[in-house]
Amino acid sequence: DTGVSQNPRHKITKRGQNVTFRCDPISEHNRLYWYRQTLGQGPEFLTYFQNEAQLEKSRLLSDRFSAERPKGSFSTLEIQRTEQGDSAMYLCASSLDGVGTQYFGPGTRLTVL
Amino acid sequence: KQEVTQIPAALSVPEGENLVLNCSFTDSAIYNLQWFRQDPGKGLTSLLLIQSSQREQTSGRLNASLDKSSGRSTLYIAASQPGDSATYLCAVQGDSGGYQKVTFGTGTKLQVIP
Repeated sequence: DTGVSQNPRHKITKRGQNVTFRCDPISEHNRLYWYRQTLGQGPEFLTYFQNEAQLEKSRLLSDRFSAERPKGSFSTLEIQRTEQGDSAMYLCASSLDGVGTQYFGPGTRLTVL
Repeated sequence: KQEVTQIPAALSVPEGENLVLNCSFTDSAIYNLQWFRQDPGKGLTSLLLIQSSQREQTSGRLNASLDKSSGRSTLYIAASQPGDSATYLCAVQGDSGGYQKVTFGTGTKLQVIP
């Protein structure tokens, strides 16, 4: 197993466009988390899944954001009508259970022009 | 609301020194505390996980302690090396309305000078 992977690694888009990111967790990990990180800050929690169920969403996750994990394996995070304030690193992590070690992917860096 | 603070924000030490990074949190009702390192522009690498029932964990030159009652954790790095240069983040996982939410600190940026 090669760990958590994320695609794309970088995304540059114009304001108002929609973007979608993908996260492939470590196989057999039930939990999958999405975070957002801006320069000089620690990651901020966005949402997490237990298998295919989305159990919690942060207030940071506005109506323009949606996340899915349709078969309890990979997950997608979509941002509609992107704004410059959405520019950040989007990190995905997975864990075997609810309180186990979280393993992070390399992140997707989003730049909104 | 859980708040996590890391002090200092930045630290520069000569190679070979032992050093301590600090992490404090406001809500002691946690499941665990995890230390990560992050290299510039990269994702996070897990270093150590301490469950709430534990007091410390060790891995190689790293030792992390947890004092849940006082809301503090320290990461001790022995015999620092230039390759240890990175940002170190602590994260606490606690009960947030029944969900195990993870809250990160803002990190300590470490530079080890050869």
